[in-house]
Amino acid sequence: RKEVEQDPGPFNVPEGATVAFNCTYSNSASQSFFWYRQDCRKEPKLLMSVYSSGNEDGRFTAQLNRASQYISLLIRDSKLSDSATYLCVVKGFNKFYFGSGTKLNVKP
Amino acid sequence: GAGVSQSPRYKVTKRGQDVALRCDPISGHVSLYWYRQALGQGPEFLTYFNYEAQQDKSGLPNDRFSAERPEGSISTLTIQRTEQRDSAMYRCASSLLGGHEQYFGPGTRLTVT
Repeated sequence: RKEVEQDPGPFNVPEGATVAFNCTYSNSASQSFFWYRQDCRKEPKLLMSVYSSGNEDGRFTAQLNRASQYISLLIRDSKLSDSATYLCVVKGFNKFYFGSGTKLNVKP
Repeated sequence: GAGVSQSPRYKVTKRGQDVALRCDPISGHVSLYWYRQALGQGPEFLTYFNYEAQQDKSGLPNDRFSAERPEGSISTLTIQRTEQRDSAMYRCASSLLGGHEQYFGPGTRLTVT
């Protein structure tokens, strides 16, 4: 079983839409949680950390449910520039485990 | 400042040859990670270092793969007797000790023919 599971998508949404991605992780001892963004043919970059109480960064909201081992990312008012692959990342024992990513296409 | 750099950016090699991939982390970043990323997949952990010490190499696929970081800065990932299945993007990332944010290099695209 993979450490981190994500729906690969693609999610095709119009500009201005709200879209949500989910992921689940298998190790209940995981310590830290993140969303990374990866543009086509580029390296992954940190989008935001995910805290137990939930956190927001502009149009982006991340949630963590430790009991269900579930992480989510909500993007409001989607922009064309949000088109990318979003990677769910879990850190445990100093190792980072990446999901396979969810592809988002925002259309005009 | 300079980010993580990797060289070569592209490497084409014949099956059976050895290759060495280099990573130069951000100055001052103690932790260095190696990943392999297949098309359409997320990065897959290979190994990591704190300073010059290899902390975990559980992700290395087999004994043809090895990595070193002798002076705690530049690291080299070596693949001996390459096979076609080794073809992938190899990515390096660095971070502060215990840091949450990893900074990735541009990767080395390895093709084994």
